[in-house]
Amino acid sequence: NAGVTQTPKFQVLKTGQSMTLQCAQDMNHEYMSWYRQDPGMGLRLIHYSVGAGITDQGEVPNGYNVSRSTTEDFPLRLLSAAPSQTSVYFCASRQDGGNTIYFGEGSWLTVV
Amino acid sequence: GENVEQHPSTLSVQEGDSAVIKCTYSDSASNYFPWYKQELGKGPQLIIDIRSNVGEKKDQRIAVTLNKTAKHFSLHITETQPEDSAVYFCAARYNFNKFYFGSGTKLNVKP
Repeated sequence: NAGVTQTPKFQVLKTGQSMTLQCAQDMNHEYMSWYRQDPGMGLRLIHYSVGAGITDQGEVPNGYNVSRSTTEDFPLRLLSAAPSQTSVYFCASRQDGGNTIYFGEGSWLTVV
Repeated sequence: GENVEQHPSTLSVQEGDSAVIKCTYSDSASNYFPWYKQELGKGPQLIIDIRSNVGEKKDQRIAVTLNKTAKHFSLHITETQPEDSAVYFCAARYNFNKFYFGSGTKLNVKP
């Protein structure tokens, strides 16, 4: 029972590099989202999607890009990494009409 | 948008004591308030939630209360156990697609 799967779990990037955090869910959930978690800041919504082909911005979208070509996958792209993007990233999904958010186990990203 | 404030940021209790974590929200349009528990190295997991038309909800040792007038809600854990040690997040659903989280409370239950 996989749930929400994120890869990679750990990544170190140099400033200016780009990368993609992968997220997949096997629960056929329509709603998917990305959060970042920083000390003292809680979880902040980066981007979300209510279904394939539909994405929207959250609280802190700058520097990130998303797409949703399938129901299962919701990758997060860092266009040009900056030290301020050092964080723990969580992908999450939720059933359409449901309340419970299911989180992945997180991706630890360090930008040097 | 919504703004959720959570206190305290850290809480240390003796095993068997009660723990209370409090949150306030800013927008009266928010109508659903979940609590998530995050264990070390894991993603947050839902432990209890409450809708805006309910004042209190209990599930074994945990309970949540909501005061809509004052725009605050609280998590109560009774008879704490070492396995309750974790980071707890409150959240408010502002519209159906956006959840705003508090900054988290690190609970330490001392044996």
